[in-house]
Amino acid sequence: RKEVEQDPGPFNVPEGATVAFNCTYSNSASQSFFWYRQDCRKEPKLLMSVYSSGNEDGRFTAQLNRASQYISLLIRDSKLSDSATYLCVADNYGQNFVFGPGTRLSVLP
Amino acid sequence: DAGVIQSPRHEVTEMGQEVTLRCKPISGHNSLFWYRQTMMRGLELLIYFNNNVPIDDSGMPEDRFSAKMPNASFSTLKIQPSEPRDSAVYFCASRPTATGASSYNEQFFGPGTRLTVL
Repeated sequence: RKEVEQDPGPFNVPEGATVAFNCTYSNSASQSFFWYRQDCRKEPKLLMSVYSSGNEDGRFTAQLNRASQYISLLIRDSKLSDSATYLCVADNYGQNFVFGPGTRLSVLP
Repeated sequence: DAGVIQSPRHEVTEMGQEVTLRCKPISGHNSLFWYRQTMMRGLELLIYFNNNVPIDDSGMPEDRFSAKMPNASFSTLKIQPSEPRDSAVYFCASRPTATGASSYNEQFFGPGTRLTVL
C-alpha cells in the first residue's frame, strides 16, 4: 500500500463546476500536509498548506481529518486555468515528505 | 530573486554513459531534495540533505546513483552507468530547515532535468 493515496482521476469537469479531490495517508506520524499543483511539463508548485482547522484561499478549500487520516481539496467555480495535476503531500517534521501519485484535472469550456 | 536552478534542462545520452545533474538551491535554504518523476511511478524522493549532510538516501535506486553536496550552494546527482530505465524528469527542491511541530515549510522545486537514456 502506498503511503499517500489519491483519487486516480482524471477528472473532466465543465467550467464553473465544483470539484473535490480526496487523499489518504498511512503514516500516523505525519504532521504537515500540503496540496501542490503541477502543470504539464513543469515543476510542482505549492497551492496551499493544510491546517488542522481547515483553510480557504479564494476558490480553494482544504480540509484535514486526522482521525481518518484524510485530506481533501475543494475547488469552486473551476476555471480553464485550473487544469493541472494536483499532488497531495504528507510530511513528518520535515523528515518524510511524501507525495501522492496526483490527480489530473481537466476543466472543459 | 532566483529560484532553484538546475542544469542541464535536457540531457540525451546513450546507455552506459555517465550522467551528472546539477542543482543550486535557493540561498539560505538548508535542506535539499532530489526527486525522480515518471508516468509509472510518479514523484519519488531519491535523497535529501540537511546542512549539506545526506540524511536519507533510501530512495536511491541502486549503486549506480550517487549524490553529493560539497557546499550549501551546490549539489550533484550522478548516474554511472546510465540505463534506459533511468529516463525520467529529475527535480531538485530546497527549503528552509523544518523546525518544531508546526512545520509548514514548503519545498521549492527547480524546473527539472529531462533525462533520456537511449
